[in-house]
Amino acid sequence: SQKIEQNSEALNIQEGKTATLTCNYTNYSPAYLQWYRQDPGRGPVFLLLIRENEKEKRKERLKVTFDTTLKQSLFHITASQPADSATYLCAPGANDYKLSFGAGTTVTVRA
Amino acid sequence: DAGVIQSPRHEVTEMGQEVTLRCKPISGHNSLFWYRQTMMRGLELLIYFNNNVPIDDSGMPEDRFSAKMPNASFSTLKIQPSEPRDSAVYFCASSLQASTADTQYFGPGTRLTVL
Repeated sequence: SQKIEQNSEALNIQEGKTATLTCNYTNYSPAYLQWYRQDPGRGPVFLLLIRENEKEKRKERLKVTFDTTLKQSLFHITASQPADSATYLCAPGANDYKLSFGAGTTVTVRA
Repeated sequence: DAGVIQSPRHEVTEMGQEVTLRCKPISGHNSLFWYRQTMMRGLELLIYFNNNVPIDDSGMPEDRFSAKMPNASFSTLKIQPSEPRDSAVYFCASSLQASTADTQYFGPGTRLTVL
């Protein structure tokens, strides 16, 4: 069965540092992968999309990579700020409407 | 646009009671999704509608759960009878068109507690 694993439940980093989150998947060949941010008491909010034929995508201080050989996506937050503190969800998708969400990684940025 | 609207935001009920959750998708969006989020199982897709028609309800846990979309601007998720294990946050999401990789816009969720 499909399995999506995101690294360690929580990531604590110092302001200004880079946070790196990992999303690994098995028994799955997604055509794309989305990353969402979820704040406490709120619904997930879309951040970035990367397709299988793309190696890297950037948006402001965010960077996503997608390695279909390793079956892995990395999500980087550079120059992190306390406002980046949230839970980040990876969501691989196939050639249909379905997204399968990982359990999420909670990031806390210390001032 | 106000985004996806869900009501109620919080619901506390007793086991055996009927619960109805409501969702208004973003105007112009053709697809609507109902998800359930728990600590144990994370975010799970329950059912998906496209153009008001249920396309895939394989995620609906049991016959106690039912969902309808009578028109493009309204959907309900009903649990009858409710059980304590149904306690979770239920999210509704909509997208412009359920083609590959469409962004899904989530509502604020309904936190359901079944005593």
